[in-house]
Amino acid sequence: DVQMTQSPSYLAASPGESVSISCKASKNISTYLAWYQEKPGKTNKLLIYSGSSLQSGTPSRFSGSGSGTDFTFTIRSLEPEDFAVYYCQQHHEYPFTFGSGTMLERK
Amino acid sequence: QIQLVQSGPELKKPGESVKISCKASGYTFTDYAMHWVKQAPGKGLKWMGWINTYIGKPTYADDFKGRFVFSLEASASTANLQISNLKNEDTATYFCARGKQGRYVMDAWGQGASVTVSS
Repeated sequence: DVQMTQSPSYLAASPGESVSISCKASKNISTYLAWYQEKPGKTNKLLIYSGSSLQSGTPSRFSGSGSGTDFTFTIRSLEPEDFAVYYCQQHHEYPFTFGSGTMLERK
Repeated sequence: QIQLVQSGPELKKPGESVKISCKASGYTFTDYAMHWVKQAPGKGLKWMGWINTYIGKPTYADDFKGRFVFSLEASASTANLQISNLKNEDTATYFCARGKQGRYVMDAWGQGASVTVSS
């Protein structure tokens, strides 16, 4: 199975700041990497797929980059509603695997 | 709008079975795959597999072969997950999630169904 190592596991920031999350794959997954947002009381939301493609409805302050084994997810100028848990997921091969998650907390 | 509404919480004993439903609305059910994802308490997400809703063919991750069955009631736009011979480690929230066309990613999620296995 492809292991996804996500870091950091916890991040504290203030509205207006920019933050980045890393996701490393244990083998080359090309650009088959997605990012999701998990918030209490809401259903999980797909933000980015195929490394850098924004899902319909995802604000442009969210971005993804990377290929091969190293990927980065960035939120530029945090909004109050962005504080949540974020997961990466490789969609290159079975079984599709997720990172362990990053909790983004408001400072 | 697109919605996936899952059945309510379940409390079961070891060895029993449980069936979780996921009713889809707001789109043509058979045009999109349905994935299942497990989240154990305090843990991350684990992909269980998916079912082709057009032909009804399931694909299971290795860890979910044997006691787990994906099924459909296509006329009711509903996907089901049945778990038999429940074990304590099956205690988790189970999510259904619609597969984005052409990609193995999940573009709409259910709210999750909690299953607790305890004697």
